[in-house]
Amino acid sequence: GAVVSQHPSRVICKSGTSVKIECRSLDFQATTMFWYRQFPKQSLMLMATSNEGSKATYEQGVEKDKFLINHASLTLSTLTVTSAHPEDSSFYICSARQGIGTIMNTEAFFGQGTRLTVV
Amino acid sequence: AQSVTQLGSHVSVSEGALVLLRCNYSSSVPPYLFWYVQYPNQGLQLLLKYTSAATLVKGINGFEAEFKKSETSFHLTKPSAHMSDAAEYFCAVSDLSNFGNEKLTFGTGTRLTIIP
Repeated sequence: GAVVSQHPSRVICKSGTSVKIECRSLDFQATTMFWYRQFPKQSLMLMATSNEGSKATYEQGVEKDKFLINHASLTLSTLTVTSAHPEDSSFYICSARQGIGTIMNTEAFFGQGTRLTVV
Repeated sequence: AQSVTQLGSHVSVSEGALVLLRCNYSSSVPPYLFWYVQYPNQGLQLLLKYTSAATLVKGINGFEAEFKKSETSFHLTKPSAHMSDAAEYFCAVSDLSNFGNEKLTFGTGTRLTIIP
């Protein structure tokens, strides 16, 4: 299957600083990328959907000014956690949709996740 | 609104025994259902998906799942567990309400442990 690379896999930052997480589709072009957040023992919660060249669509309750998403190219999307606080500590996962179409005939490939710890 | 319930956050089976991971869904429209597997330190990998074709879906690594509308279930099974099946398994549901940007709603996951 196609490969989605997420970097870094782990990051520790100080409260008040910003952290950028990268999500790259290595061998395909991804018109749509998704960002999820996973709390311990809970399911993946969709944060936002981004399409290349346009603004991301955020889910209800997700602060767009805190979680900045940029999808500048067909192979790269970034999530920046601004002014991070301990409550932002979590596991962040991206996925990239290969191809154009619906969920019936395309597949979303997932990165390995980023463990963010804010101290 | 859609939701997925995975019964049992942890399941342990002996090597060679039947694997059964349960998933029940709630959806107001015909659903599309998925099972993903996550190995340690890796991303989620698609095992199989149901998109309104055959109700019995076969996936990779010998897994299969059956869509039962009357029971709103999509349980994952494998006849004979292998040590390499130890992982976290996620059930997910989606629909075509947002064409091209369909969202996946995930369950809380089931950690499968294989006993030698």
